[in-house]
Amino acid sequence: NAGVMQNPRHLVRRRGQEARLRCSPMKGHSHVYWYRQLPEEGLKFMVYLQKENIIDESGMPKERFSAEFPKEGPSILRIQQVVRGDSAAYFCASSLTRDGSGNTIYFGEGSWLTVV
Amino acid sequence: AQKVTQAQTEISVVEKEDVTLDCVYETRDTTYYLFWYKQPPSGELVFLIRRNSFDEQNEISGRYSWNFQKSTSSFNFTITASQVVDSAVYFCALSEAIWGSGAGSYQLTFGKGTKLSVIP
Repeated sequence: NAGVMQNPRHLVRRRGQEARLRCSPMKGHSHVYWYRQLPEEGLKFMVYLQKENIIDESGMPKERFSAEFPKEGPSILRIQQVVRGDSAAYFCASSLTRDGSGNTIYFGEGSWLTVV
Repeated sequence: AQKVTQAQTEISVVEKEDVTLDCVYETRDTTYYLFWYKQPPSGELVFLIRRNSFDEQNEISGRYSWNFQKSTSSFNFTITASQVVDSAVYFCALSEAIWGSGAGSYQLTFGKGTKLSVIP
């Protein structure tokens, strides 16, 4: 999992500001996933992206959250007008193929967002 | 719907004791995949193991062992001779198969985790 790079590791935002979390998948991986870990909870799936495409965003909150994975550059998870409830750890993961079983999904070290 | 239950919220053991972390899952699929991850205090997620539902053989890796019991829908994790460095939150996770493909879904369902504290 050391190959999935996330930054920043820690981010503090005031209510109403925007948060941008970046993720570079493991080399050769074109499938990227974002998960959110609320305090005292397990991780919950948010969105699955491939280059330039959102494949499944069924876990994304309907408002203020968006994700992209451009042709060049890292995947970005963007949270607009943050509120205290957005405080959480956001994990990015990547895999070689869509198959989350035969090709294990590798997680990054997480980005901890604190909204004050 | 799939569900993963880790009934033990927190466990404390003294160093060198053995400890078992329980994981019970629910799924409608006959093909599925089970995972264990470790989250040390530094926060990253460390992959430990992946098993598919057709392979019920128990697995041992050093001080770690896993007991997969399909009949009871459990996938328990045992640490033998625990060490302080084992202190972490441990997550069990499940992914169901993509129908007709035998492949796993990219959506992992996680339990809420068990916080293990190993006391020197």
